[in-house]
Amino acid sequence: NAGVTQTPKFQVLKTGQSMTLQCAQDMNHEYMSWYRQDPGMGLRLIHYSVGAGITDQGEVPNGYNVSRSTTEDFPLRLLSAAPSQTSVYFCASSSLEAGIENTGELFFGEGSRLTVL
Amino acid sequence: GQNIDQPTEMTATEGAIVQINCTYQTSGFNGLFWYQQHAGEAPTFLSYNVLDGLEEKGRFSSFLSRSKGYSYLLLKELQMKDSASYLCAVRDSNYQLIWGAGTKLIIKP
Repeated sequence: NAGVTQTPKFQVLKTGQSMTLQCAQDMNHEYMSWYRQDPGMGLRLIHYSVGAGITDQGEVPNGYNVSRSTTEDFPLRLLSAAPSQTSVYFCASSSLEAGIENTGELFFGEGSRLTVL
Repeated sequence: GQNIDQPTEMTATEGAIVQINCTYQTSGFNGLFWYQQHAGEAPTFLSYNVLDGLEEKGRFSSFLSRSKGYSYLLLKELQMKDSASYLCAVRDSNYQLIWGAGTKLIIKP
């Protein structure tokens, strides 16, 4: 069971470089999201999507772009990396299916640890 | 503004019981989640409460009082592997999750 797969697990960038964090899920989840996690702070939502072709901004979207061309994939692009973007990034997905059995719990990828020098 | 409060760190003894509290102030309420996160790993789902009362799942139980904006996670028969951070999150009226900063639980032998 693959679940949510994120790559790369570790990345070091120089200020100004761009890169893409990949995220794929095989659970046919409608909802996908990107979070960053910093010490002493709760998970902060960067961008999210409720289906292919639909994306929206979260709490901290500046400096990041996303797209959702398929149900399975939700890449996160850093346009011009800054030291403030040093963080651990998590991709997460959930089902939006209505029903008593569905809590809408999030399934997380393993995380991508990004350092910007 | 929206806010989730939980203690930063707690220490407990192997075999004992510990209660981790979470208070929240959010725009609307559509459920409260508890997640467990071991160091260097991703959060994993523990429990979900949407109605008042206690939900029990093995050694873990979660309680919710919507009128008080309060929840707790109760861990019984603590094991060393329970050493982790415990994250409280509330789904607001826009169905977005608001996260607490997490409680780091240290288990001592």
